[in-house]
Amino acid sequence: GAVVSQHPSRVICKSGTSVKIECRSLDFQATTMFWYRQFPKQSLMLMATSNEGSKATYEQGVEKDKFLINHASLTLSTLTVTSAHPEDSSFYICSARDGGQGDTGELFFGEGSRLTVL
Amino acid sequence: AQSVTQLDSQVPVFEEAPVELRCNYSSSVSVYLFWYVQYPNQGLQLLLKYLSGSTLVKGINGFEAEFNKSQTSFHLRKPSVHISDTAEYFCAVSEAGGGNKLTFGTGTQLKVEL
Repeated sequence: GAVVSQHPSRVICKSGTSVKIECRSLDFQATTMFWYRQFPKQSLMLMATSNEGSKATYEQGVEKDKFLINHASLTLSTLTVTSAHPEDSSFYICSARDGGQGDTGELFFGEGSRLTVL
Repeated sequence: AQSVTQLDSQVPVFEEAPVELRCNYSSSVSVYLFWYVQYPNQGLQLLLKYLSGSTLVKGINGFEAEFNKSQTSFHLRKPSVHISDTAEYFCAVSEAGGGNKLTFGTGTQLKVEL
């Protein structure tokens, strides 16, 4: 099956710094990628939809200036948490749609990135 | 807009017993339905999906689910669970032809005990 890789899997940073998380589709072209945030023992909340070559679409309540998303190529999307604070600590997961499969509905998920802001 | 309800936050079950994890959805349009499994500190893995056709869908690891349009349900079942099935299970829905934007339920923690 299709593989999506996320990096880093864990990151610890100081408050006020910025952190970049990468999401790569390894064996397919991902025209669309999604970024989710998951709090402990809770469901995944969609943060934004990232389309290659265009601006991301953010969900209501998500600060686009704080969570910068870039989808510069068909295999890479990045999420940058700017000026991170402890309340940004969370598990961030990306998913990707295989553009070559049409609308099968299936998304492929990365392994997730656990961010801890001290 | 769609919504998903997973009524059971936790389901304890003994090994080799059957299990059913419940999922109900709400939508005004046609939908695709999914079940995903998440092991601790990992991403999500697709168990099975319903797009159209046969309402009984078989997935990986011996799981199956049945789409019931009249009851707007998509319950997940396994006739005999194993310790390794202990994980968090998420039901999700997307609008058919709507570009894969998934809405997740709150998840059900399946705990298999000896």
